[in-house]
Amino acid sequence: GNSVTQMEGPVTLSEEAFLTINCTYTATGYPSLFWYVQYPGEGLQLLLKATKADDKGSNKGFEATYRKETTSFHLEKGSVQVSDSAVYFCALFNSGATNKLIFGTGTLLAVQP
Amino acid sequence: GAVVSQHPSWVICKSGTSVKIECRSLDFQATTMFWYRQFPKQSLMLMATSNEGSKATYEQGVEKDKFLINHASLTLSTLTVTSAHPEDSSFYICSVHTIGKGTEAFFGQGTRLTVV
Repeated sequence: GNSVTQMEGPVTLSEEAFLTINCTYTATGYPSLFWYVQYPGEGLQLLLKATKADDKGSNKGFEATYRKETTSFHLEKGSVQVSDSAVYFCALFNSGATNKLIFGTGTLLAVQP
Repeated sequence: GAVVSQHPSWVICKSGTSVKIECRSLDFQATTMFWYRQFPKQSLMLMATSNEGSKATYEQGVEKDKFLINHASLTLSTLTVTSAHPEDSSFYICSVHTIGKGTEAFFGQGTRLTVV
């Protein structure tokens, strides 16, 4: 079946540190991959996405590359800010399966000044 | 992208009463909407798929009589928590998906339900 595994948090970093949040997936076929961000008390917002192997999604300084050989979609940012503190969800959509987004468990990022 | 509006943002109710949460797709006709419940430590659980003009599809373990879903139009789905109890206190989120290679999910801002 389809599943997403992402690293457990919380991840605590100092401002301007480098961020990596690992995400790996299991799926048949060619899923689309996403990172969503949830700020405190809010719903989820799309951060970036990639629809095929070797695609790189990027937004607001965040990047993730769709690696089919390692079934991974790790989120990275070179220099985090306090305003990046949020929960980050990795997700996949597989058009060959059900009409549902499959989410990871979320990773809480706390950036300290 | 689609704009999804959820109402109310927060609600406090007494045990035994029912609460209705609305999810509106403001600029996109959605034949399908999704309802999630978010537990402490951020875990997001899909509760059900709301289908316009037909019955909702519930995930395993979700009580359909407890969480009533109505999708009366292409722009509105409602979730009613019936006979609410403190253990129903949670953050409920709805979403709309655009389907296809450009699939993307758009989420409402969520509803914080507190049952006292």
